[in-house]
Amino acid sequence: NAGVMQNPRHLVRRRGQEARLRCSPMKGHSHVYWYRQLPEEGLKFMVYLQKENIIDESGMPKERFSAEFPKEGPSILRIQQVVRGDSAAYFCASSPSRDSNTEAFFGQGTRLTVV
Amino acid sequence: AQSVTQLGSHVSVSEGALVLLRCNYSSSVPPYLFWYVQYPNQGLQLLLKYTTGATLVKGINGFEAEFKKSETSFHLTKPSAHMSDAAEYFCAVTEGNRDDKIIFGKGTRLHILP
Repeated sequence: NAGVMQNPRHLVRRRGQEARLRCSPMKGHSHVYWYRQLPEEGLKFMVYLQKENIIDESGMPKERFSAEFPKEGPSILRIQQVVRGDSAAYFCASSPSRDSNTEAFFGQGTRLTVV
Repeated sequence: AQSVTQLGSHVSVSEGALVLLRCNYSSSVPPYLFWYVQYPNQGLQLLLKYTTGATLVKGINGFEAEFKKSETSFHLTKPSAHMSDAAEYFCAVTEGNRDDKIIFGKGTRLHILP
């Protein structure tokens, strides 16, 4: 059973370019979370999605960031016009249901570097 | 809104010594609590979780944690540290609301001294 798959593992973008981060949840999981990790700051919640629905996007910056989880295919976190401050590790997690006593399973992350 | 505070961003213990990583939470309703471990350049792996029932929870790799409602704490312990325990540890909370996300602490990096 493949775990949560994120790609690419490392992504380098120049300022002003777009970054697209992909997350394929575990088989049978229909709920996806995105987190951003900066050194010494832990994981910051960004967005929680179910297939074709955004459940909670309270952690998403108001501009340049968007996320989707289509009926078919992976979840995408999209960052437009990247800036140096977007450099971080972005983690995706999936769970089988909305029952919050079910733990989320994490991918290995995408490390975004903006140069 | 719920929150998590982990005391000590870095903790060092000698191999064979007791490991104690502290976590305090804030929640307006009975919480669900988790400890995750992250090895370098890896994602997070669940160590253990508390939802309901027994307040002393045993996890993988010899770790355990005790939910103490009166102290709003969920400290992680291991009787005898091993070199392979060196990693970053995150405490997390949800409020049991079916729409709720997982909120993480800032993490504690555990160093094991030979």
